[in-house]
Amino acid sequence: GAGVSQSPSNKVTEKGKDVELRCDPISGHTALYWYRQRLGQGLEFLIYFQGNSAPDKSGLPSDRFSAERTGESVSTLTIQRTQQEDSAVYLCASSPTLKKSETQYFGPGTRLLVL
Amino acid sequence: AQTVTQSQPEMSVQEAETVTLSCTYDTSESDYYLFWYKQPPSRQMILVIRQEAYKQQNATENRFSVNFQKAAKSFSLKISDSQLGDAAMYFCAGVGYNQGGKLIFGQGTELSVKP
Repeated sequence: GAGVSQSPSNKVTEKGKDVELRCDPISGHTALYWYRQRLGQGLEFLIYFQGNSAPDKSGLPSDRFSAERTGESVSTLTIQRTQQEDSAVYLCASSPTLKKSETQYFGPGTRLLVL
Repeated sequence: AQTVTQSQPEMSVQEAETVTLSCTYDTSESDYYLFWYKQPPSRQMILVIRQEAYKQQNATENRFSVNFQKAAKSFSLKISDSQLGDAAMYFCAGVGYNQGGKLIFGQGTELSVKP
């Protein structure tokens, strides 16, 4: 594909349910990032992958959040037992390498609403 | 620790005029990159311009330029000849030497362009 894609675009769930958010990075991009954007806020780093390894999980808000990546392809962010404070836009980005100078290419995000 | 501060929640500019968005980046590191990203209503984050801390020359990309004052920790974005399509949220972000590609974002500045 031409860019980073994410699915679903929007997700409404009930408090306590589990949700899975998917990210398809640009083909060949080694690095993949997840960010969270609460309403009216900047982006908050969650986790990044180099290949299928996650060296830095420091941004995950709680143990209800987990993520995995298959090779240098698709990544899934899972939120278990969702809470209302999890409502946000979840953005995924990818870059060719982990170099700090690299442009991160963002997907359109998944808007999650927990009722 | 790194902090990114954008003190202007909203800015407005007349079409064809020039506007400057402010950002401060506080870090103990000497080697880092700074970025300005644009987020239109579609939510898709797009890189506008980047600056390496070691480079004395300010970056320029067409109508967009930065004024990087390292000692003052200031990283402002100047948009010349503003166009209606420039209306968006603008986020300042930085990444340190040992941070992988983990971007730290400011709170954003919403720019409106008046015809």
